[in-house]
Formats: sequence, structure tokens, C-alpha cells
Amino acid sequence: DTEVTQTPKHLVMGMTNKKSLKCEQHMGHRAMYWYKQKAKKPPELMFVYSYEKLSINESVPSRFSPECPNSSLLNLHLHALQPEDSALYLCASSPVGTTYEQYFGPGTRLTVT
Amino acid sequence: DAKTTQPNSMESNEEEPVHLPCNHSTISGTDYIHWYRQLPSQGPEYVIHGLTSNVNNRMASLAIAEDRKSSTLILHRATLRDAAVYYCILLNAGGTSYGKLTFGQGTILTVHP
Repeated sequence: DTEVTQTPKHLVMGMTNKKSLKCEQHMGHRAMYWYKQKAKKPPELMFVYSYEKLSINESVPSRFSPECPNSSLLNLHLHALQPEDSALYLCASSPVGTTYEQYFGPGTRLTVT
Repeated sequence: DAKTTQPNSMESNEEEPVHLPCNHSTISGTDYIHWYRQLPSQGPEYVIHGLTSNVNNRMASLAIAEDRKSSTLILHRATLRDAAVYYCILLNAGGTSYGKLTFGQGTILTVHP
């Protein structure tokens, strides 16, 4: 299984809602990543988890809260988002080694109304 | 992070080879050269990576200059499915257990039938 899955594919939420994005991989990778991609822009790194511990937070606002409950799962909890947070949210994973090539999921298209 | 420079866009005809250039004049000795591509409405896809020697895989070839200050991704016979944004990224894990990808603007490849 060489796939990273993300659910849901699309999400529309109001500014007062709480929602979660889910990412799953069964490749035995121990590093997992969240990226944000605005329209016609390149992906931007948000968080990195390594061995289920948060290793990088790229100064992301606290309304985004990541969680890595086990080595296969990565969640992104969303609360009190703003319309400018509307974007494609991408999850990726990579094997531990020396070259860390990353495998991406298809993303969740988030719209904040 | 060491930076890469790529042309904004390139065009090719179907079934012809495509050479996508990337300049990385400030590359350090431990930086790996990674290539990813992103097809429309999909997450990025790992293509290939290398350190010093040329590399081949089922998707593409990577030619690395002897001084490592530039590299070229080679698609041997372009198909319409190869139309995508191609990103050249330097990755240096630096003793960590993850790889931090910093995406630039990439090269938009258009393939004509």
C-alpha cells in the first residue's frame, strides 16, 4: 500500500464551527506533514510530526491544532477559522532514512464561509 | 534553506523528450536534489531525487551537473498526462528524522498533442 488517504475530500464550514481533517498512511512512515496550498501558489509547510511528536510548527495560528494519535494517523483540528483559511490542505508522509522523499495525499479542499 | 531557480513555464509536444532545468548555485554538499510534480487538482507527486550521480527511475531521469550547481529533469517521451507544475527542491535532513520541503514557484509544463 503506497497511498496516503485524506478525508473528507471537500469541507465547507462556518467561522464558528469545529471540524477535523484526517490523514492516514500504512507505509510504515514515521514522519508526517501538513501543508496548506492557496490557489495558484505552491504548498507551504505547516506542521511536521516525527515519531508521533511535533517537530516543526511553522508559526501556524492556534486555530489550527494538529494531532498524531499513532504512527499511521494524522489529524488537523480546525476551530474559529477565517475565510482566508480557505485552501487545499495536503498531508504527506516520508520514510525515515537519509533522503525523506514525501508521499502526498490528494488533499482536502476547505472553504470557510 | 538553499534556493532553486526554475523557468516559469515550458512547452513540449507529445512523445518528444522534455528537459526541465533547475539552478541551485548555493547547494551544500549534503543537500539532496528532489523533484516533485503536481497535476491539476491533485496533491504533489514525488518524481525522483539524487545527490551527485545521475539517476533513472520509471518516471524520469535526473541529470546532475558535475559541480552540482544545476540539474535537469528529463522526461523521455512526454504525454498529455505529464502536463503539470514541476518543482525542484533541495532537501537537507541535517540529522533529523524528517525532511523539510520548501516549494518554490516551479515550472508549468504544457504538453501539446
